[in-house]
Amino acid sequence: QAQLVESGGGVVQPGRSLSLSCAASGFTFSRHGMHWVRQAPGKGLEWVAVISYDGSNKYYADSVKGRFTISRDKSGNTLDLQMNSLRVEDTAVYYCAKVAVEWELRGGLDYWGQGTLVTVSS
Amino acid sequence: IVMTQSPATLSVSPGERATLSCRASQSVSSNLAWYHQKPGQAPRLLIYGASTRATGIPASFSGSGSGTEFTLTISSLQSEDFAVYYCQQYNNWPLTFGQGTKVEIK
Repeated sequence: QAQLVESGGGVVQPGRSLSLSCAASGFTFSRHGMHWVRQAPGKGLEWVAVISYDGSNKYYADSVKGRFTISRDKSGNTLDLQMNSLRVEDTAVYYCAKVAVEWELRGGLDYWGQGTLVTVSS
Repeated sequence: IVMTQSPATLSVSPGERATLSCRASQSVSSNLAWYHQKPGQAPRLLIYGASTRATGIPASFSGSGSGTEFTLTISSLQSEDFAVYYCQQYNNWPLTFGQGTKVEIK
């Protein structure tokens, strides 16, 4: 059974940085594209970023492009999201999720972590 | 691509049928997924490829459509099905979600 566990959330001032991690287990991490999706309090889902199974391809939402960086560590089975120049509007629960189909960058996301809350506030 | 879901809220009695709609601002072929989310929980994948049920999803859930018009049908609502439902297109970057349909107990 696949499992994803996010960590690294917290309270941070606008303009500062924060790094999130997602520990993966129960599946062959190196075969799956991985996504970050966020959800502002009381709002809907917003896609943030994706990285391919081998790390060679990355895409970002326009709202975070140039500020956030997605990466993955094959040996440690971890997915990371480096968030710089944080804004109040980045406040959200951040979820990591895996693509259901092996090798694919896009597709249904079949396993999600429990989420980690990032609050950007002065 | 803008995904528009309707209605915003659907009031249904247990055992009744629910039909949710999702419209894309341009064609997404069959690259569409449906999720539901209960309060305090992560979303759960229900349907991908517009009509393929994800692992463990009961046959009471069915998806249809292609191009710009999609439908999720729940044939007989159970108590655990009352939740917020989202559609998501993965045909084009950036991936986009609909705003959600809340299915509540009538």
